[in-house]
Amino acid sequence: DSGVTQTPKHLITATGQRVTLRCSPRSGDLSVYWYQQSLDQGLQFLIQYYNGEERAKGNILERFSAQQFPDLHSELNLSSLELGDSALYFCASSETDFSTDTQYFGPGTRLTVL
Amino acid sequence: KNEVEQSPQNLTAQEGEFITINCSYSVGISALHWLQQHPGGGIVSLFMLSSGKKKHGRLIATINIQEKHSSLHITASHPRDSAVYICAVKRRGATNKLIFGTGTLLAVQP
Repeated sequence: DSGVTQTPKHLITATGQRVTLRCSPRSGDLSVYWYQQSLDQGLQFLIQYYNGEERAKGNILERFSAQQFPDLHSELNLSSLELGDSALYFCASSETDFSTDTQYFGPGTRLTVL
Repeated sequence: KNEVEQSPQNLTAQEGEFITINCSYSVGISALHWLQQHPGGGIVSLFMLSSGKKKHGRLIATINIQEKHSSLHITASHPRDSAVYICAVKRRGATNKLIFGTGTLLAVQP
């Protein structure tokens, strides 16, 4: 158990809908990272937050947004969902935002868009 | 061409064999991670390297910064080592994102 929790574990929804994925980092970790893993693209970095502020942005679509709250949990919002958004979404956390920090991964949320 | 390449893509071994998985990258990096992903999907961080060599149990990871190459070795392999092993690098510079290889699917047969 990494200490990172993600909810829900599974999510099935329809095209055009909006969903929110939630991540609670390990106790004391200030950075949260979001990743998408799809069959055709593999693992891709989406976005990083550090202590409530956006720190780095990757291949995140404009339909997707994220935030980190004062209690350091984070939410990833996916809207106008398309079939291609079906994927595993992982959250990870680290103590700081140093490049040499180990990242601890949550169990993931499996999103299926029908 | 991907910035992070792994080889082999698939590997089948017999229990007890010594296994090597390779990772080559084409960008300047500040750190390299080896991750393990089990069939259930969960990802575990095995090592984070910025130089040299690290060992944890039967796992050894090495990195050669000059050659832009890292290897993950598994000694005395066991069926429970069956998983996807993923190399990921942090590019040196402003961003803190990980760039991932496509993974190596390892199956260790009893």
